[in-house]
Amino acid sequence: LAKTTQPISMDSYEGQEVNITCSHNNIATNDYITWYQQFPSQGPRFIIQGYKTKVTNEVASLFIPADRKSSTLSLPRVSLSDTAVYYCLVDNYGQNFVFGPGTRLSVLP
Amino acid sequence: DTGVSQDPRHKITKRGQNVTFRCDPISEHNRLYWYRQTLGQGPEFLTYFQNEAQLEKSRLLSDRFSAERPKGSFSTLEIQRTEQGDSAMYLCASSYRADTQYFGPGTRLTVL
Repeated sequence: LAKTTQPISMDSYEGQEVNITCSHNNIATNDYITWYQQFPSQGPRFIIQGYKTKVTNEVASLFIPADRKSSTLSLPRVSLSDTAVYYCLVDNYGQNFVFGPGTRLSVLP
Repeated sequence: DTGVSQDPRHKITKRGQNVTFRCDPISEHNRLYWYRQTLGQGPEFLTYFQNEAQLEKSRLLSDRFSAERPKGSFSTLEIQRTEQGDSAMYLCASSYRADTQYFGPGTRLTVL
């Protein structure tokens, strides 16, 4: 199972772009990269998923370089409500259920 | 809202009592997962079902933990003889086949 490494915490200010990078050096060919957001006392919420290059949705963008050994979640113009824990998960057809400790993002006014 | 639901949202029990939690997945999802989450940690996988079959249960924390999904729809997670160390958030998620997992709000268990 691919192990992921993320920064434990990050601080940002409202209106800034935030980039959270996840390292997954032993990612396998069939693995997808999925990011979740979690607020206190709630279940994780799916943000975005990708396999390679760039994926964008209404919430975030996900950048994956050619070697796929890392990925970067980009949150444009964060607000106070984006304060949460963000988890990177590497998954092979639903066979990997290992969440790391995540990145605690604090958005300051 | 047709997301994953969990019941109860909070449970307080005394040490040694049995507790049971229920999870109702998104209706068309055939996979259902249980996780435990303690403060400051990511979710820890416990078990999962595909339809009514329990495909992985080796990571259940002890033989006091058991889960069922008798008709391939809702699922229950039971903890027997609870201990204070069982205090945590218990999360349920569902997916269609091996697609993205969608999580419920969780059940917060406090063992006194």
